[in-house]
Amino acid sequence: ETGVTQTPRHLVMGMTNKKSLKCEQHLGHNAMYWYKQSAKKPLELMFVYNFKEQTENNSVPSRFSPECPNSSHLFLHLHTLQPEDSALYLCASSEEPGSSYNEQFFGPGTRLTVL
Amino acid sequence: AQKVTQAQTEISVVEKEDVTLDCVYETRDTTYYLFWYKQPPSGELVFLIRRNSFDEQNEISGRYSWNFQKSTSSFNFTITASQVVDSAVYFCALSEGYSSASKIIFGSGTRLSIRP
Repeated sequence: ETGVTQTPRHLVMGMTNKKSLKCEQHLGHNAMYWYKQSAKKPLELMFVYNFKEQTENNSVPSRFSPECPNSSHLFLHLHTLQPEDSALYLCASSEEPGSSYNEQFFGPGTRLTVL
Repeated sequence: AQKVTQAQTEISVVEKEDVTLDCVYETRDTTYYLFWYKQPPSGELVFLIRRNSFDEQNEISGRYSWNFQKSTSSFNFTITASQVVDSAVYFCALSEGYSSASKIIFGSGTRLSIRP
Protein backbone atom coordinates (compact mmCIF):
# COMPACT_ATOMS: atom_id res chain seq x y z
CA GLU A 1 0.00 0.00 0.00
CA THR A 2 1.20 3.48 -0.77
CA GLY A 3 0.00 6.98 0.02
CA VAL A 4 -3.12 7.49 2.09
CA THR A 5 -5.78 4.80 2.23
CA GLN A 6 -9.30 5.00 3.61
CA THR A 7 -11.82 2.32 4.46
CA PRO A 8 -14.60 1.80 3.78
CA ARG A 9 -15.00 3.66 0.52
CA HIS A 10 -18.77 3.73 0.86
CA LEU A 11 -20.91 3.53 4.00
CA VAL A 12 -24.65 3.66 4.50
CA MET A 13 -25.87 3.87 8.08
CA GLY A 14 -28.99 4.62 10.04
CA MET A 15 -29.18 7.43 12.55
CA THR A 16 -28.93 5.04 15.49
CA ASN A 17 -25.94 3.09 14.19
CA LYS A 18 -22.35 3.33 15.36
CA LYS A 19 -19.64 3.01 12.76
CA SER A 20 -16.00 3.99 12.28
CA LEU A 21 -14.00 5.35 9.39
CA LYS A 22 -10.36 4.35 9.09
CA CYS A 23 -7.44 6.18 7.56
CA GLU A 24 -3.89 4.94 7.18
CA GLN A 25 -0.92 6.79 5.74
CA HIS A 26 2.21 5.06 4.49
CA LEU A 27 4.25 8.23 3.95
CA GLY A 28 5.95 8.60 7.33
CA HIS A 29 4.09 11.83 7.98
CA ASN A 30 3.48 13.32 11.41
CA ALA A 31 0.24 15.21 10.89
CA MET A 32 -3.17 13.83 9.93
CA TYR A 33 -6.46 15.53 9.17
CA TRP A 34 -10.16 14.84 8.72
CA TYR A 35 -12.16 16.91 6.23
CA LYS A 36 -15.83 16.92 5.35
CA GLN A 37 -16.87 17.63 1.78
CA SER A 38 -20.57 18.26 1.27
CA ALA A 39 -22.25 18.97 -2.02
CA LYS A 40 -21.76 22.56 -3.11
CA LYS A 41 -19.73 23.48 -0.01
CA PRO A 42 -16.03 24.12 0.43
CA LEU A 43 -13.90 21.52 2.09
CA GLU A 44 -14.37 21.81 5.85
CA LEU A 45 -11.50 20.97 8.15
CA MET A 46 -12.77 18.91 11.07
CA PHE A 47 -9.78 17.72 13.10
CA VAL A 48 -6.00 17.97 13.06
CA TYR A 49 -3.61 15.59 14.79
CA ASN A 50 0.09 16.30 15.19
CA PHE A 51 2.26 13.49 16.53
CA LYS A 52 -0.92 11.71 17.74
CA GLU A 53 -2.13 14.75 19.67
CA GLN A 54 -5.28 16.59 18.63
CA THR A 55 -4.39 20.20 17.92
CA GLU A 56 -7.53 21.36 16.17
CA ASN A 57 -11.22 20.69 16.61
CA ASN A 58 -13.11 22.95 14.27
CA SER A 59 -16.34 23.11 16.31
CA VAL A 60 -17.29 19.62 15.25
CA PRO A 61 -20.37 18.08 16.93
CA SER A 62 -19.63 15.42 19.51
CA ARG A 63 -21.34 12.75 17.43
CA PHE A 64 -18.02 12.70 15.54
CA SER A 65 -15.22 11.31 17.69
CA PRO A 66 -11.68 11.09 16.30
CA GLU A 67 -8.97 8.75 17.48
CA CYS A 68 -5.30 8.72 16.56
CA PRO A 69 -3.49 5.73 18.12
CA ASN A 70 -0.26 6.47 16.26
CA SER A 71 1.07 8.77 13.56
CA SER A 72 0.04 6.38 10.80
CA HIS A 73 -3.57 5.70 11.74
CA LEU A 74 -6.57 7.93 12.20
CA PHE A 75 -10.13 6.93 12.96
CA LEU A 76 -13.41 8.79 12.95
CA HIS A 77 -16.03 7.18 15.16
CA LEU A 78 -19.60 7.99 14.23
CA HIS A 79 -22.72 7.69 16.37
CA THR A 80 -26.28 9.03 16.21
CA LEU A 81 -25.58 10.91 13.01
CA GLN A 82 -28.07 13.08 11.16
CA PRO A 83 -28.98 12.97 7.46
CA GLU A 84 -27.16 16.28 6.95
CA ASP A 85 -23.94 14.51 7.94
CA SER A 86 -24.05 12.66 4.63
CA ALA A 87 -20.91 13.73 2.77
CA LEU A 88 -17.52 12.64 1.50
CA TYR A 89 -15.09 12.36 4.40
CA LEU A 90 -11.50 12.87 3.38
CA CYS A 91 -8.41 12.02 5.34
CA ALA A 92 -5.09 13.74 4.67
CA SER A 93 -1.56 13.74 6.01
CA SER A 94 1.40 16.08 5.83
CA GLU A 95 5.04 15.77 6.68
CA GLU A 96 5.54 18.36 9.35
CA PRO A 97 2.99 19.70 11.76
CA GLY A 98 2.78 23.45 12.11
CA SER A 99 4.34 24.22 8.79
CA SER A 100 2.21 25.96 6.21
CA TYR A 101 4.78 24.98 3.59
CA ASN A 102 3.86 21.33 3.42
CA GLU A 103 1.25 20.14 1.01
CA GLN A 104 -1.28 17.64 2.24
CA PHE A 105 -1.73 14.21 0.71
CA PHE A 106 -5.29 13.00 0.54
CA GLY A 107 -6.96 9.63 0.64
CA PRO A 108 -9.79 8.68 -1.74
CA GLY A 109 -12.44 9.44 0.87
CA THR A 110 -15.38 7.60 2.39
CA ARG A 111 -18.77 8.40 0.86
CA LEU A 112 -21.14 8.39 3.85
CA THR A 113 -24.90 8.28 3.54
CA VAL A 114 -27.03 8.65 6.67
CA LEU A 115 -30.60 7.44 6.32
CA ALA B 1 -9.17 36.68 7.93
CA GLN B 2 -8.06 34.37 5.18
CA LYS B 3 -10.35 33.54 2.31
CA VAL B 4 -10.10 31.89 -1.09
CA THR B 5 -12.60 32.67 -3.83
CA GLN B 6 -13.10 30.64 -6.97
CA ALA B 7 -15.83 32.52 -8.75
CA GLN B 8 -16.22 30.00 -11.56
CA THR B 9 -18.43 27.18 -10.29
CA GLU B 10 -18.39 25.19 -13.52
CA ILE B 11 -16.56 25.47 -16.82
CA SER B 12 -17.13 23.37 -19.91
CA VAL B 13 -14.89 23.52 -22.97
CA VAL B 14 -14.20 21.41 -26.00
CA GLU B 15 -11.07 19.30 -26.04
CA LYS B 16 -7.90 21.11 -27.18
CA GLU B 17 -9.17 24.49 -26.06
CA ASP B 18 -7.19 26.46 -23.50
CA VAL B 19 -8.94 27.15 -20.21
CA THR B 20 -8.09 29.37 -17.23
CA LEU B 21 -9.34 28.76 -13.71
CA ASP B 22 -9.44 31.86 -11.53
CA CYS B 23 -8.44 32.09 -7.89
CA VAL B 24 -8.50 35.20 -5.69
CA TYR B 25 -7.31 35.12 -2.11
CA GLU B 26 -7.37 37.31 0.98
CA THR B 27 -4.81 37.28 3.75
CA ARG B 28 -3.22 39.71 6.19
CA ASP B 29 0.00 37.74 6.42
CA THR B 30 3.06 38.62 4.39
CA THR B 31 4.18 35.00 4.42
CA TYR B 32 1.78 32.53 2.95
CA TYR B 33 1.54 29.64 0.51
CA LEU B 34 -0.88 29.01 -2.31
CA PHE B 35 -1.80 25.60 -3.66
CA TRP B 36 -3.78 24.02 -6.45
CA TYR B 37 -5.32 20.58 -6.06
CA LYS B 38 -7.17 18.42 -8.56
CA GLN B 39 -10.04 16.15 -7.49
CA PRO B 40 -10.87 13.58 -10.19
CA PRO B 41 -14.08 11.51 -10.00
CA SER B 42 -12.27 8.93 -7.87
CA GLY B 43 -12.39 11.40 -4.97
CA GLU B 44 -8.89 11.98 -3.65
CA LEU B 45 -7.37 15.42 -4.00
CA VAL B 46 -4.12 15.43 -5.92
CA PHE B 47 -1.54 18.10 -5.18
CA LEU B 48 -0.53 20.06 -8.29
CA ILE B 49 1.56 23.02 -7.20
CA ARG B 50 2.69 25.16 -4.26
CA ARG B 51 3.77 28.78 -4.51
CA ASN B 52 5.13 30.92 -1.67
CA SER B 53 4.28 34.57 -1.29
CA PHE B 54 7.80 35.74 -2.07
CA ASP B 55 8.05 34.01 -5.40
CA GLU B 56 6.00 35.68 -8.10
CA GLN B 57 7.57 33.85 -10.98
CA ASN B 58 5.06 32.11 -13.15
CA GLU B 59 5.46 28.39 -13.50
CA ILE B 60 4.89 26.02 -16.37
CA SER B 61 4.65 22.27 -16.13
CA GLY B 62 3.77 20.64 -19.40
CA ARG B 63 0.29 21.82 -20.38
CA TYR B 64 -0.24 23.44 -16.97
CA SER B 65 0.80 26.97 -16.08
CA TRP B 66 0.19 29.21 -13.11
CA ASN B 67 0.09 32.99 -12.95
CA PHE B 68 0.69 34.45 -9.48
CA GLN B 69 0.06 38.19 -9.11
CA LYS B 70 0.31 39.67 -5.63
CA SER B 71 -0.95 43.05 -6.86
CA THR B 72 -4.34 41.52 -7.59
CA SER B 73 -4.15 38.70 -5.00
CA SER B 74 -4.70 36.16 -7.72
CA PHE B 75 -3.23 32.76 -8.49
CA ASN B 76 -4.77 31.61 -11.76
CA PHE B 77 -4.31 28.23 -13.37
CA THR B 78 -4.27 27.67 -17.13
CA ILE B 79 -4.53 24.36 -18.95
CA THR B 80 -3.33 24.53 -22.54
CA ALA B 81 -4.71 22.16 -25.17
CA SER B 82 -7.13 20.61 -22.70
CA GLN B 83 -7.81 16.88 -22.70
CA VAL B 84 -10.76 14.82 -21.49
CA VAL B 85 -8.59 13.48 -18.65
CA ASP B 86 -8.36 17.03 -17.30
CA SER B 87 -12.03 16.82 -16.32
CA ALA B 88 -12.14 17.20 -12.53
CA VAL B 89 -12.86 19.64 -9.75
CA TYR B 90 -9.96 21.98 -9.13
CA PHE B 91 -9.36 23.62 -5.77
CA CYS B 92 -7.24 26.63 -4.97
CA ALA B 93 -6.02 26.83 -1.37
CA LEU B 94 -4.16 29.15 1.00
CA SER B 95 -1.98 28.46 4.02
CA GLU B 96 -0.69 31.26 6.24
CA GLY B 97 2.60 31.69 8.05
CA TYR B 98 3.36 29.34 10.89
CA SER B 99 0.83 28.00 13.33
CA SER B 100 0.31 25.05 15.62
CA ALA B 101 -1.47 23.26 12.85
CA SER B 102 -0.86 23.07 9.17
CA LYS B 103 -4.20 24.50 8.13
CA ILE B 104 -5.14 24.98 4.53
CA ILE B 105 -8.19 27.00 3.56
CA PHE B 106 -9.76 25.75 0.35
CA GLY B 107 -11.83 27.60 -2.18
CA SER B 108 -15.17 26.17 -3.20
CA GLY B 109 -13.71 24.56 -6.30
CA THR B 110 -14.28 24.83 -10.05
CA ARG B 111 -15.76 21.84 -11.85
CA LEU B 112 -14.05 21.55 -15.23
CA SER B 113 -15.60 19.44 -17.96
CA ILE B 114 -13.71 18.77 -21.16
CA ARG B 115 -15.96 17.59 -23.99
CA PRO B 116 -14.51 15.38 -26.73
